[in-house]
Amino acid sequence: DAGVTQSPTHLIKTRGQQVTLRCSPKSGHDTVSWYQQALGQGPQFIFQYYEEEERQRGNFPDRFSGHQFPNYSSELNVNALLLGDSALYLCASSLRTSSSYNSPLHFGNGTRLTVT
Amino acid sequence: QQPVQSPQAVILREGEDAVINCSSSKALYSVHWYRQKHGEAPVFLMILLKGGEQKGHEKISASFNEKKQQSSLYLTASQLSYSGTYFCGTEGDSSYKLIFGSGTRLLVRP
Repeated sequence: DAGVTQSPTHLIKTRGQQVTLRCSPKSGHDTVSWYQQALGQGPQFIFQYYEEEERQRGNFPDRFSGHQFPNYSSELNVNALLLGDSALYLCASSLRTSSSYNSPLHFGNGTRLTVT
Repeated sequence: QQPVQSPQAVILREGEDAVINCSSSKALYSVHWYRQKHGEAPVFLMILLKGGEQKGHEKISASFNEKKQQSSLYLTASQLSYSGTYFCGTEGDSSYKLIFGSGTRLLVRP
């Protein structure tokens, strides 16, 4: 049973460029959340997708956008990259139930993005 | 609002106990605990739901005080494998939005 897979594992981009990160959730999961983790910090919530719609969003600018596909996989897009966007981007999947967050998040190993 | 974790870091000898605290200024519906080792993804430890339930997993247990909006993670008879950074994640009012604290770095030495 494959867990959460993310691609690519590492990426180097230049300021102003655009990047797309990909995530395949754990089998049986229907919800994907994206987090940004700076070095030495906790994961910061970017947004969450369920039923192909953005359901929740953190305090991130519109340069950060996403998508969820019918097979539950997801993409995170970042436009007009800034140096401050350099971080580890984590994808986490879960199974949405009727009673809120009573199921754990399963994290992928992340994509390390470096903006130069 | 990001939950506040304390302490920021702790160093233990193998076999010693530790407590990590997580507090929020907002009413909480659930609290999650995760451990992240260097260069790896965070790994789920346990969830505590509104109701003050205490949970345990081998020598790691946790409690959730609804009135104080606080949760504590208890590590007893620590092992070398417990080393890592512990994060609490909190959710308010069935929002399905899990917000993480800045983490507590735990180092267990022989």
